[in-house]
Parts: sequence; C-alpha cells; structure tokens
Amino acid sequence: DGGITQSPKYLFRKEGQNVTLSCEQNLNHDAMYWYRQDPGQGLRLIYYSQIVNDFQKGDIAEGYSVSREKKESFPLTVTSAQKNPTAFYLCASSIALDSKETQYFGPGTRLLVL
Amino acid sequence: KQEVTQIPAALSVPEGENLVLNCSFTDSAIYNLQWFRQDPGKGLTSLLLIQSSQREQTSGRLNASLDKSSGRSTLYIAASQPGDSATYLCAGYSNDYKLSFGAGTTVTVRA
Repeated sequence: DGGITQSPKYLFRKEGQNVTLSCEQNLNHDAMYWYRQDPGQGLRLIYYSQIVNDFQKGDIAEGYSVSREKKESFPLTVTSAQKNPTAFYLCASSIALDSKETQYFGPGTRLLVL
Repeated sequence: KQEVTQIPAALSVPEGENLVLNCSFTDSAIYNLQWFRQDPGKGLTSLLLIQSSQREQTSGRLNASLDKSSGRSTLYIAASQPGDSATYLCAGYSNDYKLSFGAGTTVTVRA
C-alpha cells in the first residue's frame, strides 16, 4: 500500500528545544517537500529536495533544517531559532521536481509550543 | 512570484445545490493548476490537475476549468452532498517548479 507517512501526529515543543518531524514515502518519488500551514493562509514551502543528498530552501526556511540521506526519508527539524513554530506541517512528494505532476501529501503533524 | 487568491474564504449551501469555487492567479505563465481537498486536521487529497495546454478536467461530479489569459480557474461541484464539506485549495506551478497555494475556500453543505 503506497503512500506518505508522517509522525508523530501531534508534537509538543518546549522553549529552546529542537524537534524533528518524520516523513517517509514508499512511492519511489525523487522529489520531496515540506510545507507549513497556518490558519487562513495557504501552504508555504519550507524546504524541498530534488534527489538524495540534495535540498534547497523554500520561501520560509529560517529556523528549520532538513536532511535527505535516503530516497524514502526527508525529516524536518524545527530549531530553537524558529520563534513561532506552532503550525500544521505537511510533507509531500512527487515523481520529479520538474514533472509538474501531482504532489502527494502525508496526513500532517501538528506542532504546539508548551 | 505567483500569488494565488481564493474568494470567498467560506461558503455554506443546502444539499443538492451546485458549488462554484473561484481561484485567481497573478502569473499567466502558470503551468499546471491543481485543485485539492482538505478535511479538518488532515493532509491534502488531489482532486483535479489541469495541464497548461488544457482548458478543463472532469472527474465525476467535479469539473475544473482554467483560463490562463484571465488568470482564473473555477471548480464546479454538481449536486452537492454533506460529504463534500471540506476546504478546497487551488495551487499553480510556476517556472521555478514550485507550487503556490491559495488560502482555500471552506465549504459547508447543509443536509
């Protein structure tokens, strides 16, 4: 059963803490993406990766970091430098960056600050 | 930078009424235009993808049109049902291979 999984569903962060959100896909897609969704706003791109060991900043990368060591995995770390991390985080993948085909989305992780 | 706008932000209709959702974008060089559905607290599900060379796409009760010259796309949902209640987002690809999203229209279909 192919798809994208994200964990955890809910994540709580304390002041000054780094937290990591997991994203795994078994669709054999090369491109993966992280978006942030705030109420009343469209999704905003945080980071994207075209291929293993490559990633690029999106529109709102400050305070976030990523890695792409495996094709299937694209974890996102929310660092203590991100001053307003409360949001819904969505991971997506597509066949290739320049295919302009459908992006497939995971179920999301909601991050809350304690 | 591509700007995508969806108006209205929310819409409530009685069951059986046809739904018309609007999306406008600023860059006419847009490539594909995609419509997604999002249920509360969930991820996005792709509904329709309109290629840049196409003017519309249909799937069951859903029909989406694309007019690049006017910078508009419209999603029609025929004979709405309570199960159609969700937030609908449109998104467009630009030359930089990135998707730009609208804020969405939240639809409530009253039984």
